[in-house]
Amino acid sequence: ETGVTQSPTHLIKTRGQQVTLRCSSQSGHNTVSWYQQALGQGPQFIFQYYREEENGRGNFPPRFSGLQFPNYSSELNVNALELDDSALYLCASSKSDRDEKLFFGSGTQLSVL
Amino acid sequence: SQKIEQNSEALNIQEGKTATLTCNYTNYSPAYLQWYRQDPGRGPVFLLLIRENEKEKRKERLKVTFDTTLKQSLFHITASQPADSATYLCALESAAGNKLTFGGGTRVLVKP
Repeated sequence: ETGVTQSPTHLIKTRGQQVTLRCSSQSGHNTVSWYQQALGQGPQFIFQYYREEENGRGNFPPRFSGLQFPNYSSELNVNALELDDSALYLCASSKSDRDEKLFFGSGTQLSVL
Repeated sequence: SQKIEQNSEALNIQEGKTATLTCNYTNYSPAYLQWYRQDPGRGPVFLLLIRENEKEKRKERLKVTFDTTLKQSLFHITASQPADSATYLCALESAAGNKLTFGGGTRVLVKP
């Protein structure tokens, strides 16, 4: 167990809806990164938050947005859901934005119908 | 653009043998490379990190090599056990330095 918790574990939405996924980082970690993992592929970087500020973003459209709170927990919001957004969404925390090792949660499985 | 390739075919291996996985990358010179293990329905778990100035790293039955000339890392599981069955992901530090870029992973199945 890494100490990173994500909720919900599973979610079903329909196309066009909006979704919010939540992540509680490991104690002592101030950096949270979000990844999208499609079936049979490796995780793809969405963005990273460090001390409540976005600190890097991958090749994802603006309808993917996030927040980090003072307690370093984080949210991933996706607007106008598309079928291709169906994936496992992983949250990972690290001690700082320069710490190389990531500690992942078990993910939220999102299905868009 | 940066590209990371892992063998997408599953590796079937007999218990007790050594499993060897490859990770090749192009168009980039990462400062370090990491390997993670991922079980079905779970997030990746960190295994090993090797830096560009290190040739080899070991942890229990795991060994990683890093050849920056060939742009390749090899990941070995010696004396493999059925419990080692999982998907193994390699990940490189991105050019931006603040994110990891993952390969597609290789599934390993160790048969008793």
